[in-house]
Amino acid sequence: AQTVTQSQPEMSVQEAETVTLSCTYDTSENNYYLFWYKQPPSRQMILVIRQEAYKQQNATENRFSVNFQKAAKSFSLKISDSQLGDTAMYFCAFMKHGGGSEKLVFGKGTKLTVNP
Amino acid sequence: NAGVMQNPRHLVRRRGQEARLRCSPMKGHSHVYWYRQLPEEGLKFMVYLQKENIIDESGMPKERFSAEFPKEGPSILRIQQVVRGDSAAYFCASSPAYNEQFFGPGTRLTVL
Repeated sequence: AQTVTQSQPEMSVQEAETVTLSCTYDTSENNYYLFWYKQPPSRQMILVIRQEAYKQQNATENRFSVNFQKAAKSFSLKISDSQLGDTAMYFCAFMKHGGGSEKLVFGKGTKLTVNP
Repeated sequence: NAGVMQNPRHLVRRRGQEARLRCSPMKGHSHVYWYRQLPEEGLKFMVYLQKENIIDESGMPKERFSAEFPKEGPSILRIQQVVRGDSAAYFCASSPAYNEQFFGPGTRLTVL
């Protein structure tokens, strides 16, 4: 069974600065996806960024980028130029590709606060 | 294109009552997933359905919980004889085939 670990329950950053959220996972699969989801106070789950395991190039979406280290099973999220609207819970998630059930396995989350 | 819709957004039940949670997937999506989020926790997978079929129910409690996704209409997550421990946020996600899942706003169930 796959597990996802987020070792930072809470983090804070000053507006306009950069912050990195950590995520490690455990799997014996070779073909999978990794995701970062954002959950603001509204509780809506919003996809931030996605990484395919077969791609060596790190995914980037505007101010959000990942550092994917497949051998180390590490998948950190970097937020540049932090904005007040980035304040939210951030969840790292794993999805096995194929096998009939592509369910998401989530970490426990990191609560990020962006301070003005 | 409307997103994933869930209703009700908030549901209050007394212990022993039944709770029915509805999920309408995005147009064209035939895969539905249900997740539960307990307070201060991440989301936990419950069940994966395609039209008229349960594909994976490995995360569903063995008793009192059931799910369906009929040919017509929304997917339903049904909890019979609710207990206080069922209080949580229940999220539905839909997918057109595989990989990316789009989440609904969730239903917050409170059991008194």
